[in-house]
Amino acid sequence: DAGITQSPRHKVTETGTPVTLRCHQTENHRYMYWYRQDPGHGLRLIHYSYGVKDTDKGEVSDGYSVSRSKTEDFLLTLESATSSQTSVYFCAITPSPEGPGEQYFGPGTRLTVT
Amino acid sequence: QKEVEQNSGPLSVPEGAIASLNCTYSDRVSQSFFWYRQYSGKSPELIMSIYSNGDKEDGRFTAQLNKASQYVSLLIRDSQPSDSATYLCAVRGSYIPTFGRGTSLIVHP
Repeated sequence: DAGITQSPRHKVTETGTPVTLRCHQTENHRYMYWYRQDPGHGLRLIHYSYGVKDTDKGEVSDGYSVSRSKTEDFLLTLESATSSQTSVYFCAITPSPEGPGEQYFGPGTRLTVT
Repeated sequence: QKEVEQNSGPLSVPEGAIASLNCTYSDRVSQSFFWYRQYSGKSPELIMSIYSNGDKEDGRFTAQLNKASQYVSLLIRDSQPSDSATYLCAVRGSYIPTFGRGTSLIVHP
């Protein structure tokens, strides 16, 4: 357990509504990541952060935004949810970004967009 | 485009056998290599990491790396039904790792 929590754990929402997912860590790691996981696609990086207010895009960032105002919290927002954003979302941290770079994952959020 | 390839499986082995999981990658400058285990409905869990050519053993798990062939593998000795899961290979050259799509392993009694 790397001290990572995600909320909510499950959410059902309607197309067109905004949704915010929260990732919280207790160990002050600088690097945090948001992934989505879909059958047949594996883990795909949405956005990542390398410090407070420092974020960058991953390979599937369209339709998503992130914010990091505190070291411990990394928020993922779906501006206007679409059915294609139905997925399982994982947050991850890296304790050693300058070193090996192993990642530890939160428990995930299952999002359904109807 | 950095790619990490894994056979999706399922790979089915009998209990007590050796399970061999393979992964190839395209980025020659990759430095760190990881294996994650993911049970159905759960998050990925780091089980092995390897950084230099050769073998690295940890209990029943052995990771093997061949940078010249751009190949990394995971051997699970004395496979148990509890090893049944999807195994993800991840390769890191910079701050962002690239994941394979995973291999499903089924260990049957």
